Amino acid sequence: AQKVTQAQTEISVVEKEDVTLDCVYETRDTTYYLFWYKQPPSGELVFLIRRNSFDEQNEISGRYSWNFQKSTSSFNFTITASQVVDSAVYFCALSEVDFNKFYFGSGTKLNVKP
Amino acid sequence: DAGVIQSPRHEVTEMGQEVTLRCKPISGHDYLFWYRQTMMRGLELLIYFNNNVPIDDSGMPEDRFSAKMPNASFSTLKIQPSEPRDSAVYFCASSTGGQETQYFGPGTRLLVL
Repeated sequence: AQKVTQAQTEISVVEKEDVTLDCVYETRDTTYYLFWYKQPPSGELVFLIRRNSFDEQNEISGRYSWNFQKSTSSFNFTITASQVVDSAVYFCALSEVDFNKFYFGSGTKLNVKP
Repeated sequence: DAGVIQSPRHEVTEMGQEVTLRCKPISGHDYLFWYRQTMMRGLELLIYFNNNVPIDDSGMPEDRFSAKMPNASFSTLKIQPSEPRDSAVYFCASSTGGQETQYFGPGTRLLVL
């Protein structure tokens, strides 16, 4: 079974639309960390956010926001008023403390059209 | 501060040749990770080191792959002999802890003909 599932393979939106990228994870660890990374067309992997399993507060950073819900094992990422520069592949990742493992999801490709 | 440095950025080689990929982690980072990214399999963790010691190499595909970390500032990933199916982007990442944020290098795009 996938430890990190990003069911949306590809999403296309028009600039200024809001878009939510879904991430569902699976773990037996009580302590774990969740991450989002961005991979623009240039290919590098850019860290966006890290949350620990004890902090369910939503986080907002500019146009980006993250919704962490342990009850549904989800860590969704919303981009408000999307821009063409947001076009990239976005990866969700899970780090398990007890099992000392790190897993990436398969990524969601976001296309923002002008 | 310099980020993770990888070399070469691009490598084209012929099947059967030896390929060596290099990585310099961020200074002060105790963990170093090697990943492979392909369209078919996505991002795969190949191996990671803690304080220069390999901790988990369960992701290394086969004996043709080997990785070393002779000191805190340098690691290599070697493929010998290389095969066309090894064509991929290989990323190196480093962090200050096993569950801490991993910072990635720019990657090495490998093409084996």
